[in-house]
Amino acid sequence: AAGVIQSPRHLIKEKRETATLKCYPIPRHDTVYWYQQGPGQDPQFLISFYEKMQSDKGSIPDRFSAQQFSDYHSELNMSSLELGDSALYFCASSLSYTDTQYFGPGTRLTVL
Amino acid sequence: AQTVTQSQPEMSVQEAETVTLSCTYDTSESDYYLFWYKQPPSRQMILVIRQEAYKQQNATENRFSVNFQKAAKSFSLKISDSQLGDAAMYFCAYSSSGYALNFGKGTSLLVTP
Repeated sequence: AAGVIQSPRHLIKEKRETATLKCYPIPRHDTVYWYQQGPGQDPQFLISFYEKMQSDKGSIPDRFSAQQFSDYHSELNMSSLELGDSALYFCASSLSYTDTQYFGPGTRLTVL
Repeated sequence: AQTVTQSQPEMSVQEAETVTLSCTYDTSESDYYLFWYKQPPSRQMILVIRQEAYKQQNATENRFSVNFQKAAKSFSLKISDSQLGDAAMYFCAYSSSGYALNFGKGTSLLVTP
């Protein structure tokens, strides 16, 4: 079965640079969630989209923005990167906003 | 805000034995969902089991089952016939309908031969 695809899988950036993370949900899934997992921590919710509209917002810094496109893929844009942004970023998708979330493999971001 | 508490940072079990991971949560809502996710060393988040709060019957998935006590706000995971591949971090998570997952701090499960 098709799974959630995230790209890139690994990303290394310098402080103050920008980064774009991409997420391709499972086919027919219309809801996308973004989570951030720091070292030794549990995942923290950033933002979600349902039918291309922002549906919920968590602890997402103002330096970050995201959107969901007409083909339901989503992008997380991160600017003015800080050392503390180094983390594993997960995208999850669900068939509807009430359904189970299935996670992608994550993008490991390292900020130097 | 809903909170999820996993009181066991680490657990250990021998192969073929049974282990129970604990999870409690706090909510004022009556309709919600509970999950257990497994995160092996690869860091992939894998769904283990899901429970709808309105269902009284405990969910089961092969060797994995839950004990859902709604009044006590308790949601424990039982792993039977433990296998080496079960070694991972296990996260308990809560979700209101349509909203994000709220995770506990996790329980690291070690499986010994």
